[in-house]
Parts: sequence; C-alpha cells; structure tokens
Amino acid sequence: KAGVTQTPRYLIKTRGQQVTLSCSPISGHRSVSWYQQTPGQGLQFLFEYFSETQRNKGNFPGRFSGRQFSNSRSEMNVSTLELGDSALYLCASSVGQDTGELFFGEGSRLTVL
Amino acid sequence: AQSVTQLDSHVSVSEGTPVLLRCNYSSSYSPSLFWYVQHPNKGLQLLLKYTSAATLVKGINGFEAEFKKSETSFHLTKPSAHMSDAAEYFCVVSDQEYNFNKFYFGSGTKLNVKP
Repeated sequence: KAGVTQTPRYLIKTRGQQVTLSCSPISGHRSVSWYQQTPGQGLQFLFEYFSETQRNKGNFPGRFSGRQFSNSRSEMNVSTLELGDSALYLCASSVGQDTGELFFGEGSRLTVL
Repeated sequence: AQSVTQLDSHVSVSEGTPVLLRCNYSSSYSPSLFWYVQHPNKGLQLLLKYTSAATLVKGINGFEAEFKKSETSFHLTKPSAHMSDAAEYFCVVSDQEYNFNKFYFGSGTKLNVKP
C-alpha cells in the first residue's frame, strides 16, 4: 500500500511569490491535515480536510489556504510569501472517524529568499 | 483544554544504555496516545499507540510505553539505545471532539546517542 506522497520535496521561492504544495493520502483515507514545522515554533497545525470540507483550522493568517478534492488529494497554498514561511510542511492522512493514527508524508521543504 | 508536555527537550545517552523520554498529558476524556519518531528532513513515523487496551504498549524497534492514568503520563522507554535511535520524538494525544479526532503534539525531545 502506497504511503502519503508529498510534492514537491524541495522548493525555493522569493518573498511575495506564492506556492502550492500537494499531498496524496493513503488510499481509503478521507482526512488530510497539514502541519508547519520550524526550528523555533516546532510542529504547528495548519488545517484539516475531510471529504472536501475544512473540518478544523489552526491559528495561521489567511495567506495560508487549502483544499481537498473528491479523490481526497489535498493542496495547500501560501500567498505573498514571507521569510518566516520557510519551513518543512508536513501532510498527514488518516481514516478520519475513529481513533486511528496519522500517517505522515516526507514533507515539502520550502525556502523563502 | 488538552495539552501534551514533553519534559525534556534534549536527552543524551550512550549506546547500549536505557532510554527514557517523558511525556505528560492533560485530557478531559479517555485519550488515545501515540509516540512518533522523526529523523532529519523526514516525516513522522509511528512508533506505538495506546487506545485503551493494555497499558503497556510495545512498538517498533524495541520501544515501549506505559500508560499511567493516575499520573497522566505516557513515557517512552527502550532497554538499550542504538545509534540509529538518534532522532526527534513526539508524544501525541488524540481526543474525540464532535465525532472526529483532534491531535495535540508535544514540543518534541531530541535524542542523542553517543558511541
């Protein structure tokens, strides 16, 4: 069974640009959540989608947005990039409705110059 | 509100000696508890999980954790550290809210293993 796939793995952008990251969950998983990980702030929850609906949201500005498609694949977008957005962005999938665990992808490493 | 406290941000042990990574949590309900490991520039990998069955949980790579409700703790242990155990470890609590799970992450403990 294929794991959680995140693309791209690495990317470099400049301030003011926007970026879109993609996440393909494990087959059959309907929940996809996104996390930002930085050395200073650690792991921070961005948002969670379940069956194409945002079900939960962390405390991030509106520049951070996401969506989920009917096949459960998810994208997150960051507009007007700032230097502080440099981070490892992790996607996790789960079945979504029980006490099951999160399954993480390898992450997308974003560097903003 | 639920919270997870990992009591040590860094732990250093010698290869072959025991590992103890401490985690305390607060939860209003009967939580599910997890330990994840993260190697540099990688995603998080599940080590083990507790979901109200046996209080002593065995995981991968020789790790285990004991759920102690009276102490609200879920400490991770391993009898003998290996160099490959050097990584960051996260304690995670999951609570059911509105018929779905919310996950709360500890701040992480970096394990250093000395030769």
